[in-house]
Amino acid sequence: GAVVSQHPSRVICKSGTSVKIECRSLDFQATTMFWYRQFPKQSLMLMATSNEGSKATYEQGVEKDKFLINHASLTLSTLTVTSAHPEDSSFYICSAREPFGAKNIQYFGAGTRLSVL
Amino acid sequence: AQSVTQLDSQVPVFEEAPVELRCNYSSSVSVYLFWYVQYPNQGLQLLLKYLSGSTLVKGINGFEAEFNKSQTSFHLRKPSVHISDTAEYFCAVSEDSGYSTLTFGKGTMLLVSP
Repeated sequence: GAVVSQHPSRVICKSGTSVKIECRSLDFQATTMFWYRQFPKQSLMLMATSNEGSKATYEQGVEKDKFLINHASLTLSTLTVTSAHPEDSSFYICSAREPFGAKNIQYFGAGTRLSVL
Repeated sequence: AQSVTQLDSQVPVFEEAPVELRCNYSSSVSVYLFWYVQYPNQGLQLLLKYLSGSTLVKGINGFEAEFNKSQTSFHLRKPSVHISDTAEYFCAVSEDSGYSTLTFGKGTMLLVSP
């Protein structure tokens, strides 16, 4: 299957700082990427859909000014958690959809564990 | 909109025993169905998928699942589990379109003991 790389795998930051997480599709071009958030022992909650060259589509209840998404190229999407607070601590996972709308198959990154002190 | 119900939050099983992880879905339109596995502190790996055609689909690591439209189910099975199968398993559904989002179940933790 296709490979999606997510970096960093773990980040610890102070409250009030911003953190950027990168998601790269390594061997295919992804016009659409997704950002999920996962709380301990819970399922994945879709935060936003990232489309190359256009604004991201955020799910209801997700603050777009808090979670900035940029999808500037066909292989890279970034999620920036701005002015992070302890309640933003979570496991963030990205995915990239197989190109050409091929049956909505998504490939996932390894996730980023964010801890805000 | 779709929804997914994974009835068991945790399934303990002994090594080499068979296992079934249950998944039921709800949708007003035709769907694609997926099973993903997540090992601790890692992302999700696609185990198998049902898109169309044969209702019995085989995936990686010896897993298989059967799509039952009348019962709106997509249960995951393995005839003989290994310790290394210990992980969280997620069932997911989307509309049968290449441009819809995935909806995940809450996950089932498979605990394989010797």
